[in-house]
Amino acid sequence: DTGVSQNPRHKITKRGQNVTFRCDPISEHNRLYWYRQTLGQGPEFLTYFQNEAQLEKSRLLSDRFSAERPKGSFSTLEIQRTEQGDSAMYLCASSAKEGAIYEQYFGPGTRLTVT
Amino acid sequence: AQSVSQHNHHVILSEAASLELGCNYSYGGTVNLFWYVQYPGQHLQLLLKYFSGDPLVKGIKGFEAEFIKSKFSFNLRKPSVQWSDTAEYFCAVIGGNTGKLIFGQGTTLQVKP
Repeated sequence: DTGVSQNPRHKITKRGQNVTFRCDPISEHNRLYWYRQTLGQGPEFLTYFQNEAQLEKSRLLSDRFSAERPKGSFSTLEIQRTEQGDSAMYLCASSAKEGAIYEQYFGPGTRLTVT
Repeated sequence: AQSVSQHNHHVILSEAASLELGCNYSYGGTVNLFWYVQYPGQHLQLLLKYFSGDPLVKGIKGFEAEFIKSKFSFNLRKPSVQWSDTAEYFCAVIGGNTGKLIFGQGTTLQVKP
């Protein structure tokens, strides 16, 4: 399968614990995005990378969230000291420039439940 | 700030009925517009996109959308829906060079056989 993959697909954790999610983009896609989606809402942008550089972070991304993309390949999203409000689907997307725009391809997401 | 508004949160149609889902965006500059679909249990997939040229865009599975700049709208249409079109539909915009997608809140479409 050559699509975007995310691991784990589901994560249940207790409040206060740290969690880390991984995203593997489509090979050779230089842009990688993280979004968060809660029930009944559209995905909300969190951050994105071009190669290994983190170019933009949303105000939604509090100090407890950190994302990395070492070597410009896979990316990790870590949430420290999780809170119940962090429960959501975390989506990853990757893109490469096609013509004038970057078309984003989404992974299946990691569903986080904080108890 | 950029935003996207989808008028209908939940639409129920019978098979063969025509579909139109409304989408309005707020952004004054050049925009790239998208419709994504999420079938039950599957990940987001691109239905169609607009970035320039003909404002009537055709996508997969018989869907089309029309960009009306004066109305800041990008409505999704399909002449005859099928049960398999049951899904959640999201309108999204990329504003300028940011690269990030701004999504609407989504419309759940339920097609009755």
